[in-house]
Amino acid sequence: NAGVTQTPKFRILKIGQSMTLQCTQDMNHNYMYWYRQDPGMGLKLIYYSVGAGITDKGEVPNGYNVSRSTTEDFPLRLELAAPSQTSVYFCASSTGVNTEAFFGQGTRLTVV
Amino acid sequence: QKEVEQDPGPLSVPEGAIVSLNCTYSNSAFQYFMWYRQYSRKGPELLMYTYSSGNKEDGRFTAQVDKSSKYISLFIRDSQPSDSATYLCAMRVSGNTPLVFGKGTRLSVIA
Repeated sequence: NAGVTQTPKFRILKIGQSMTLQCTQDMNHNYMYWYRQDPGMGLKLIYYSVGAGITDKGEVPNGYNVSRSTTEDFPLRLELAAPSQTSVYFCASSTGVNTEAFFGQGTRLTVV
Repeated sequence: QKEVEQDPGPLSVPEGAIVSLNCTYSNSAFQYFMWYRQYSRKGPELLMYTYSSGNKEDGRFTAQVDKSSKYISLFIRDSQPSDSATYLCAMRVSGNTPLVFGKGTRLSVIA
């Protein structure tokens, strides 16, 4: 059982470039989330989705976009990378809003 | 005042010690409380999950919630070097709301 899979694990971007962080889960979870974690900080919610076709903003959505065309996939798009987006990004999923979330291993992104 | 406050540490204890990790929060509507363990360069993993006030025990771990004081704790008995990690508290309001995380406490258990 793979759980939550994120790709890539590492990426270096130049300022202004764009990229998509991929997230796939094989547990048939309706709820999926994107968080970022800066050094010495907790996780901050970027976007979340309660099911295919439904997404909503979290605490820090600026500079990011998401889509949810299937239950399994929840990609995160950075359109114009900025140094402030240097962070570790975690994707998570859960069966419902009041249940535990399963996290991926993270994508470490550096914008230079 | 931040919604969830957690002392970042670092906290260093000898093997076998009892560890107490704590979070305070300001939103009295929080009802679901979780503790995650995060090893270096890994994703968080759920350790304990409690609803409302009271205690919950799982092996060497005990989670405690005091809603009247807006305070939650995680106790680790007989701590082991393998417990060395960052511990994150998280909580949510009942309903369709996401988790709110503390900053995490970094724990080192010295053999």
